[in-house]
Formats: sequence, structure tokens, C-alpha cells
Amino acid sequence: EVQLVESGGGLVKPGGSLRLSCAASGFTFSSYTMSWVRQSPGKGLEWVSYISSSGSSIFYAESVKGRFTISRDNAENSLFLQMNSLGAEDTAVYYCGRDPLRRGSSYYMDVWGKGTTVTVSS
Amino acid sequence: DIQMTQSPPSLSASVGDRVTITCRASQSIYSALNWYQQKPGKAPNLLIYGASILQNGVPSRFSGSGSGTDFTFTITSLQPEDFATYYCQQSSSIPITFGQGTRLEIK
Repeated sequence: EVQLVESGGGLVKPGGSLRLSCAASGFTFSSYTMSWVRQSPGKGLEWVSYISSSGSSIFYAESVKGRFTISRDNAENSLFLQMNSLGAEDTAVYYCGRDPLRRGSSYYMDVWGKGTTVTVSS
Repeated sequence: DIQMTQSPPSLSASVGDRVTITCRASQSIYSALNWYQQKPGKAPNLLIYGASILQNGVPSRFSGSGSGTDFTFTITSLQPEDFATYYCQQSSSIPITFGQGTRLEIK
């Protein structure tokens, strides 16, 4: 079964850091572009970041550029999001998602994890 | 950035009804438009990609159409499990952007 499982969320103080993980199983992780998408409480979906299958191509939303770093470990079938200088506006459920195009990018997500919740509060 | 404007923000309908949601892009995105369904507390679920292609396993009562800047999403004969929030998303260019969502409620 194709599956994505996020972890690493929690409560963090403003200005703090957190590292999210996304464990992939049931497919050849190293062949697929991956993304992070977040959803603030009661709000819509916001794309955060994207990383190509090899990790050579990376993009960020302007709202997180310079503070968040996406990475992946294809040997461990894992995706990461390092989040620094967190503010209240980063409070959200963070989802990882798989791009359906093998060894390419379609810029949409056909498989999603259940999400991990990040709360930034003093 | 490409802005996605989705309407209506909310919609009340009854089981068996036909409903239509529209999504407009701020510039042409050709057919790079996708639709997701999201239920409370759950992750989004891809229903349609490429404006009109039904994702595997999605019931045929869901459909999408359009190209360029104007797109529609239709559910024929609403079922109880269809009451959810629906989002459009453009995949033409980075940054990926979503519509604001349409909450479909039971009348």
C-alpha cells in the first residue's frame, strides 16, 4: 500500500525550530518529486515547498523562503522539512504529498499523508 | 504568482442534486487544473487532474471541464459522502496555488 506518514509536529515557541519528517512506503520513493503543503486552522491549503526526486531542484513559497529547508534521504525513503524562526503564522497542519509523475514533475499531489500539527505559541 | 479564484465559497444542496463549482485562474494555465476533496480532519484527496481526467477509483458522478482560465467541477446526483470542502489547484507553474475552497453543506 502506498503510504506517507508525517511526524515531528508539536508545540514550539515563537522564534523556535522544528523538523518534520515524512516516511514513505509502498512505492519507489527515489523516483518521485515530493511537496509539503500546510493548512492553518480553519483555512485553506497553502503549498510550502517542493523537492525533485534527486533533490537537485527545490522551490519554496515566499512565505517560508529563507526560514524553511526541504530535504530528502532516498536511502531512508524519507522527506524532511526543517523549520526555523517560526511565527504564529506557521501554525498549521503540515502534509507531505507525492507528485504522480515518475522521474518528473506534474506539480500536483496524488498521495497525501494524514498530516502533522505544528503550533507556534508562547 | 497565479491567483485561483473559486466560487461559491459555500454551497447548500440536497442528496441527489447536481452542483457546480467554478475556478478562475488569473492567467492561462491551459489544462493544468486539479480538484481535491477534503473532509474535516482528513487530508485532501485528488479527484480530478488535467482539468477533466478522473483519478483512479473516483466515482463517475464527479467531472471537470475547462481550459485556459475558466474551469468547472460538477457532481451529479450528490451522495451523503460528498459533503465536504473542494479545492481547485493550478499545476501550471511554481508557486503551486490553490483556490480558497468551496464548502458543500447539506441543505
